[in-house]
Amino acid sequence: GEDVEQSLFLSVREGDSSVINCTYTDSSSTYLYWYKQEPGAGLQLLTYIFSNMDMKQDQRLTVLLNKKDKHLSLRIADTQTGDSAIYFCAESHGSSNTGKLIFGQGTTLQVKP
Amino acid sequence: DGGITQSPKYLFRKEGQNVTLSCEQNLNHDAMYWYRQDPGQGLRLIYYSQIVNDFQKGDIAEGYSVSREKKESFPLTVTSAQKNPTAFYLCASRGEGQPQHFGDGTRLSIL
Repeated sequence: GEDVEQSLFLSVREGDSSVINCTYTDSSSTYLYWYKQEPGAGLQLLTYIFSNMDMKQDQRLTVLLNKKDKHLSLRIADTQTGDSAIYFCAESHGSSNTGKLIFGQGTTLQVKP
Repeated sequence: DGGITQSPKYLFRKEGQNVTLSCEQNLNHDAMYWYRQDPGQGLRLIYYSQIVNDFQKGDIAEGYSVSREKKESFPLTVTSAQKNPTAFYLCASRGEGQPQHFGDGTRLSIL
């Protein structure tokens, strides 16, 4: 079945760039998403990319998609302490129109001052 | 303001008791979803509804029930058959061709 994998933890220093990686298995995915979750809160949509795109940039966020390798990454430039959170990668279930998402386990980003 | 409201924020369940989690949206979205989140895990889909008066089981529906009598509302009942209900429950909704947007969650614990 479909699966999404992420590394569990990333630690960076304030001001550095962070790169969070994700791999997925469903080759029919139409959209791939990045969500951010702060402690005790719901998920906040950060950005998403259509599967026929290679890259999308939105202010400090850059998403890269390698469809051949089924690899997605999220780069956060000039990482701030407020970026400390859990980041979830998710893919849409490409074979249906239900809008169902498959989520990775989440990557905890720790930003040290 | 438009958004998704989940209530209560914290909920406690006694043994053998059913509890209902509320999810309301005023975004005019047709589709709504319930997820369960356990520590260190991603979100797992419990139930979803694409239209009023219709809903489908997700990956972990056992021990849960839902209804969709109104477009704005998609309540989730955690029944006594759910033996490990302690988790963080998230509700989401989605407009046509749009990403899912989430509420702030309900944390359910066992007394």
